[in-house]
Amino acid sequence: GAGVSQSPRYKVAKRGQDVALRCDPISGHVSLFWYQQALGQGPEFLTYFQNEAQLDKSGLPSDRFFAERPEGSVSTLKIQRTQQEDSAVYLCASSLAMTGTDTQYFGPGTRLTVL
Amino acid sequence: DAKTTQPNSMESNEEEPVHLPCNHSTISGTDYIHWYRQLPSQGPEYVIHGLTSNVNNRMASLAIAEDRKSSTLILHRATLRDAAVYYCILRDVGSSASKIIFGSGTRLSIRP
Repeated sequence: GAGVSQSPRYKVAKRGQDVALRCDPISGHVSLFWYQQALGQGPEFLTYFQNEAQLDKSGLPSDRFFAERPEGSVSTLKIQRTQQEDSAVYLCASSLAMTGTDTQYFGPGTRLTVL
Repeated sequence: DAKTTQPNSMESNEEEPVHLPCNHSTISGTDYIHWYRQLPSQGPEYVIHGLTSNVNNRMASLAIAEDRKSSTLILHRATLRDAAVYYCILRDVGSSASKIIFGSGTRLSIRP
């Protein structure tokens, strides 16, 4: 079946531009996560949705980062006024339910390069 | 959150078994041990998880020490496609939809 998809796969932005990254989770998955992965490091948590509710945004690095999931399915991560330090791979993951050990299914990521 | 310690890198030969160690000395009673791996240019994927008993699935085996302070992921017959970064992660069964806290993982290289 279809897995988690993300678009675009690659994005180049000039410093100061706004970008929007899209995540299509597996159909029916309640939980959705965003992670940021810098080069050579493990992914780091950004934010979590349970259906349309954003229950944890403790990992968002600044108020330039904003995420939404208005209908409880597709999610968008928006970064305003991009900076060079925002260059990273942004990963989206979804899981079927809401327990602490549910398997998370990851998309291929969006590689953002800020010039 | 309880943390895990893994070697930065390991190397193995194709078609030989690989044992990837993980230390988690501060593990709590409600922590499950999970392993994910990340192939080049892909998102992480689930490999296996366990609580106390050893576990087997089609991808790998997980051996858990009796005191649960360490575990080993076993790939029985490594192929070139197993070259990836392997992450050992603790996840609390008592929390709701917990985020995954990745460390740096072990980068596994396979020699043909």
